[in-house]
Amino acid sequence: DGGITQSPKYLFRKEGQNVTLSCEQNLNHDAMYWYRQDPGQGLRLIYYSQIVNDFQKGDIAEGYSVSREKKESFPLTVTSAQKNPTAFYLCASSIGIGELFFGEGSRLTVL
Amino acid sequence: QKEVEQNSGPLSVPEGAIASLNCTYSDRGSQSFFWYRQYSGKSPELIMSIYSNGDKEDGRFTAQLNKASQYVSLLIRDSQPSDSATYLCAVKWRDSSYKLIFGSGTRLLVRP
Repeated sequence: DGGITQSPKYLFRKEGQNVTLSCEQNLNHDAMYWYRQDPGQGLRLIYYSQIVNDFQKGDIAEGYSVSREKKESFPLTVTSAQKNPTAFYLCASSIGIGELFFGEGSRLTVL
Repeated sequence: QKEVEQNSGPLSVPEGAIASLNCTYSDRGSQSFFWYRQYSGKSPELIMSIYSNGDKEDGRFTAQLNKASQYVSLLIRDSQPSDSATYLCAVKWRDSSYKLIFGSGTRLLVRP
């Protein structure tokens, strides 16, 4: 079955640590996205990539980094520079504008 | 300031009723509008897209768009308890190629 796989589903991080969230898709979509969701809030865009080896900052990119070396993969690193990283992180892909397919999400908690 | 506004709710309706969810947006030039459903603890899923003024129907769901008034709405007919979720409105801004702006969502509760 085609879809988007995010891992891990739950992650705990100590302050000062970098962590990497994995996102893999087999939908053959060109565009991929990372969103952050905080309780009771909508989705905020962290980074997006329209093609391999190219990505753009979203609205809240500070403290995050990404890479897009393969069409199928778009990992997100939450660095120690991100001061409030506890959130629900969602990876998505799309073949058209606006019609996003989401992974199941990764819930990051800072201890 | 790019804004998409939704009433956070909860909107409570009895089973079988029509649920009406509303969304307003600040960019008059926006052309593409989307409704996503998100169950508690889960990821969003696309349920409707609308691009032209008027109504678009898909099963029990109807999306309504009024660009002059800058609002988009979602009607759910014959509401079921399984429709209880948060509904997110998303708008593609005129000046962005791939970026969506999401509202904070309206929580819908359908009472059996």
